[in-house]
Amino acid sequence: GQNIDQPTEMTATEGAIVQINCTYQTSGFNGLFWYQQHAGEAPTFLSYNVLDGLEEKGRFSSFLSRSKGYSYLLLKELQMKDSASYLCAVSSGGGADGLTFGKGTHLIIQP
Amino acid sequence: GAVVSQHPSWVICKSGTSVKIECRSLDFQATTMFWYRQFPKQSLMLMATSNEGSKATYEQGVEKDKFLINHASLTLSTLTVTSAHPEDSSFYICSANRPQGVGEQFFGPGTRLTVL
Repeated sequence: GQNIDQPTEMTATEGAIVQINCTYQTSGFNGLFWYQQHAGEAPTFLSYNVLDGLEEKGRFSSFLSRSKGYSYLLLKELQMKDSASYLCAVSSGGGADGLTFGKGTHLIIQP
Repeated sequence: GAVVSQHPSWVICKSGTSVKIECRSLDFQATTMFWYRQFPKQSLMLMATSNEGSKATYEQGVEKDKFLINHASLTLSTLTVTSAHPEDSSFYICSANRPQGVGEQFFGPGTRLTVL
């Protein structure tokens, strides 16, 4: 079966750093994605990891350990607009397969 | 980034009616599109994979006769919710892979369906 776990909610302070963890058990693995979703809107792509290690893109970084079935999304210099849900998703097959999403982590940024 | 549009963005209908939702890839051709459903405060659940020129592949538990999918061209897929009921009220989102990309899916803006 497919199982993706991430915390339901996290709170952080503006200007600080926050790490959102994701663990997965899937029947196959062809990459892990992080998406940002604001309420009532569609998800927007943040990052993609298929090999172990850290991928850095501006204020956002994503890490993957395939042997541990583990990933995290790191957000630096938090801004109020970063308040959103962050979705961890796994591709079990190739590009012709849909994604399996975790339930999302609702991130609240406080002044 | 790649652009995917959906129409309508929201719709309210009476129970028993059918509703059609369109998904278009605006600046690339998509041989495969995906339809997801998201209930409030829950994550996206894949409903079906829409393949251009062939039948859609439905996930377990999704009724193919209720959720009709047509992928008429490389830029258009439609989802028709037939005989809609209040429990079908949800946020329906489509996505598509850009062929030259790493496999990330680009999502449409979503369609909020409310069945009275």
